[in-house]
Amino acid sequence: GENVEQHPSTLSVQEGDSAVIKCTYSDSASNYFPWYKQELGKRPQLIIDIRSNVGEKKDQRIAVTLNKTAKHFSLHITETQPEDSAVYFCAASIQAGTALIFGKGTTLSVSS
Amino acid sequence: EPEVTQTPSHQVTQMGQEVILRCVPISNHLYFYWYRQILGQKVEFLVSFYNNEISEKSEIFDDQFSVERPDGSNFTLKIRSTKLEDSAMYFCASSGQGGNEQYFGPGTRLTVT
Repeated sequence: GENVEQHPSTLSVQEGDSAVIKCTYSDSASNYFPWYKQELGKRPQLIIDIRSNVGEKKDQRIAVTLNKTAKHFSLHITETQPEDSAVYFCAASIQAGTALIFGKGTTLSVSS
Repeated sequence: EPEVTQTPSHQVTQMGQEVILRCVPISNHLYFYWYRQILGQKVEFLVSFYNNEISEKSEIFDDQFSVERPDGSNFTLKIRSTKLEDSAMYFCASSGQGGNEQYFGPGTRLTVT
């Protein structure tokens, strides 16, 4: 089955710096890659996603890139702010309506 | 903006007891899911449900687990005989016609003593 690896497990940056979180997946049939942000004690919130027919997607300060050949995708956050501090999870799924397989998460700390 | 809701927010039960966790998915969504998250760990898929039947389940979802959509709005997860290792946060999620974007509920924290 699908396996998703995520790095780093923790990431500390200064406010205003950029943050990059990377994930790799094992199943070449996976074609949907969402990113979730989870604040302490809260639900995972979908912040951005990308499908396999697209190489990059941007939404304000966040962007996701996908390299299908290498089977990896990355989350980029620019101009980080303290409220970006949270656990970020990447995930992959094979098709609509199927299981999301999550990475182990990255704890991002943004200090002011 | 519509959201997935879950009840109760916290459930404490004794080992061997049955529990039912309840979810109300977003009203026009067609796909429903249960995930669990043991404290400090990643989110793990349990089961997906579409067109009134299970479409996919993980190894975690054994005979102790069952799901049901008893009416047009609720989606439930039943654990027949709880074990200590079932202690976790259980998240319900739903997705719409396209099926991809899954929106999570606030979770039910299950504590088995």
